[in-house]
Amino acid sequence: KAGVTQTPRYLIKTRGQQVTLSCSPISGHRSVSWYQQTPGQGLQFLFEYFSETQRNKGNFPGRFSGRQFSNSRSEMNVSTLELGDSALYLCASRRVAGSTDTQYFGPGTRLTVL
Amino acid sequence: GQQLNQSPQSMFIQEGEDVSMNCTSSSIFNTWLWYKQDPGEGPVLLIALYKAGELTSNGRLTAQFGITRKDSFLNISASIPSDVGIYFCAGPPFTGNQFYFGTGTSLTVIP
Repeated sequence: KAGVTQTPRYLIKTRGQQVTLSCSPISGHRSVSWYQQTPGQGLQFLFEYFSETQRNKGNFPGRFSGRQFSNSRSEMNVSTLELGDSALYLCASRRVAGSTDTQYFGPGTRLTVL
Repeated sequence: GQQLNQSPQSMFIQEGEDVSMNCTSSSIFNTWLWYKQDPGEGPVLLIALYKAGELTSNGRLTAQFGITRKDSFLNISASIPSDVGIYFCAGPPFTGNQFYFGTGTSLTVIP
């Protein structure tokens, strides 16, 4: 079974631009979560989508948004980029089956804002 | 949000030594997951624990789900250089469905 895929792997943008990141979860998984990881802040939760609906949301400004499509693929958008948005953005695919609840990560997208 | 206390924050050990790290929470957890992350890459799931008291191994790795459901432990035996990385604990608390993560343990193995 293929793992979680994220595209692109690397991205360089300038301040004020916007960016869209894509994530394809493991086949059959309906939940996708997004995280921002920086050296100083560690893993910060952005939001989670389940069956095309946002189920949970972290404490990030409205410039960060996401959506999920009917095939469970998800996109994350950041508008009006700031230098501080430079980070590794991770997508995670979640599987809940009975009493088990497991999350698998993609390789991440490294975003650099200049 | 919910914080998981993970310790130690960093470890410097000689190759061949055993390693122990743990994670504690103020809330009861349904699941404890342990991940390893290499620089610039996504975390890789090492071990998943679903029952209080459960002890699970994956090669040289052994993890336990604490009986109070508020803690978990990860042990690595006979460490090797490729064990270098950051180890995270994670899980959803009993009263919620969002995953929370530990602050990570940075492991350095000296050959």
